[in-house]
Amino acid sequence: EVQLVESGGGLVKPGGSLRLSCAASGFTFSSYSMNWVRQAPGKGLEWVSSISSSSSYIYYADSVKGRFTISRDNAKNSLYLQMNSLRAEDTAVYYCARARTTTVTTGNSDYWGQGTLVTVSS
Amino acid sequence: AIRMTQSPSSFSASTGDRVTITCRASQGISSYLAWYQQKPGKAPKLLIYAASTLQSGVPSRFSGSGSGTDFTLTISCLQSEDFATYYCQQYYSYPPYTFGQGTKLEIK
Repeated sequence: EVQLVESGGGLVKPGGSLRLSCAASGFTFSSYSMNWVRQAPGKGLEWVSSISSSSSYIYYADSVKGRFTISRDNAKNSLYLQMNSLRAEDTAVYYCARARTTTVTTGNSDYWGQGTLVTVSS
Repeated sequence: AIRMTQSPSSFSASTGDRVTITCRASQGISSYLAWYQQKPGKAPKLLIYAASTLQSGVPSRFSGSGSGTDFTLTISCLQSEDFATYYCQQYYSYPPYTFGQGTKLEIK
């Protein structure tokens, strides 16, 4: 069974940093690109970042470029999102999601974690 | 960036109804369109990809159609568990992989 479990969320002050983790199991993690998607309270879904299976291709939304860094450790079946210079507008539930196909890096995701809440507030 | 616009933003329907949600892309995206269902407090669930391919395990009352810029999600006979918010997403041109603003389907 595919499982994605996020951790690392919490309350942080504006300008602070946080590192999210996503532990994957039930599939060959190293074969799939992975995505981070967020959802602000009461709002819609926003794609944040994607990373290819071998980390060769990395993409970011303009809203986080230069502040967030996506990475992965295939030996540990883990995905990460390092978030720096956090702003109030980064407050959201952050979901880790698996790309639907192994053939290309894609934002189309078939399995999602339960999400972890990041709150940026003084 | 490609903009995805869903309509309506919300509406009410009854169990047994046939409902259609529309998603329009600001430029052509071929068939690189997915639909997700999200219930309160839960992660999104993939329903349809490639505009019309049903994800494994999704009931056949869900169907998708369209290509280019105009797409639809149809639920043929609404069940109580279908009341949720639905999102379309394009994955043709990236970054970003843009989502529509969502359509909230409520019980009449």
